[in-house]
Amino acid sequence: AQSVTQLGSHVSVSEGALVLLRCNYSSSVPPYLFWYVQYPNQGLQLLLKYTTGATLVKGINGFEAEFKKSETSFHLTKPSAHMSDAAEYFCAVSLMTTDSWGKLQFGAGTQVVVTP
Amino acid sequence: NAGVTQTPKFQVLKTGQSMTLQCAQDMNHEYMSWYRQDPGMGLRLIHYSVGAGITDQGEVPNGYNVSRSTTEDFPLRLLSAAPSQTSVYFCASRGLASYNEQFFGPGTRLTVL
Repeated sequence: AQSVTQLGSHVSVSEGALVLLRCNYSSSVPPYLFWYVQYPNQGLQLLLKYTTGATLVKGINGFEAEFKKSETSFHLTKPSAHMSDAAEYFCAVSLMTTDSWGKLQFGAGTQVVVTP
Repeated sequence: NAGVTQTPKFQVLKTGQSMTLQCAQDMNHEYMSWYRQDPGMGLRLIHYSVGAGITDQGEVPNGYNVSRSTTEDFPLRLLSAAPSQTSVYFCASRGLASYNEQFFGPGTRLTVL
C-alpha cells in the first residue's frame, strides 16, 4: 500500500519569496506522483506530475517539483510567490500496476497563505 | 467540453434520508471516481469505476452505493444519511492509464443534520 505525507498543514510566505511544499511518499513499487491545487470553493486542478524520465518536472504557474527516489520525496517549489498562489495544495501518488487501476492516494494538504 | 459536472452544488439532509449525487463527464473517460474531502484528511476515495458495468470500493465505501450504466454517468447514492457523511464530495474522471491526469468536478457540499 502507498501513503503520502505532507509536512506542514499551513504555510505562510511573503509575496516574492520562495514557496516550498514538502511531500514524502511510501510505495512498494515505482509510483506516479502528482501535485494538485485547490482554489477556494473549487475542485482540484493538476499542477504537475512525474511519471518516468526527467526527475525535475515543470508545471503550470511557475511551479516545479523534483522526484528524489533515494529520499522518497516530491517537493513542490516556486521561486517567487504571487498573491494568486494562495490555495490548498495536495500531493498524490498512484502505482504503476494494472491491478491498482491508478487509484490516487492523497496527502492531507497544505494551505498556503501569501502575505503582501 | 463541459468536463466533469456535478449536481447539486449544495444539499442539506436529515439523518436517515436518502439522496443521489449526480456526476457526468463528456470526455469519454473510462475511469471515474468519487472522493470525500474532510478538513485535515485530504481526499479519500469512496468508490471507483473502470468502465460501464464495473465498479469497486475505495478506502471509505461504507454508507455509499454506486453504479455505472453508461460511460458518461457515475451517480453516488447515500441510502440512509448520517451526520458522519457531512463532507464535500468530488467526482473525477480520467483516461484508463494510471499516469493520466484526473479531472475534478466542482464538488457537492453536503450537510447531514
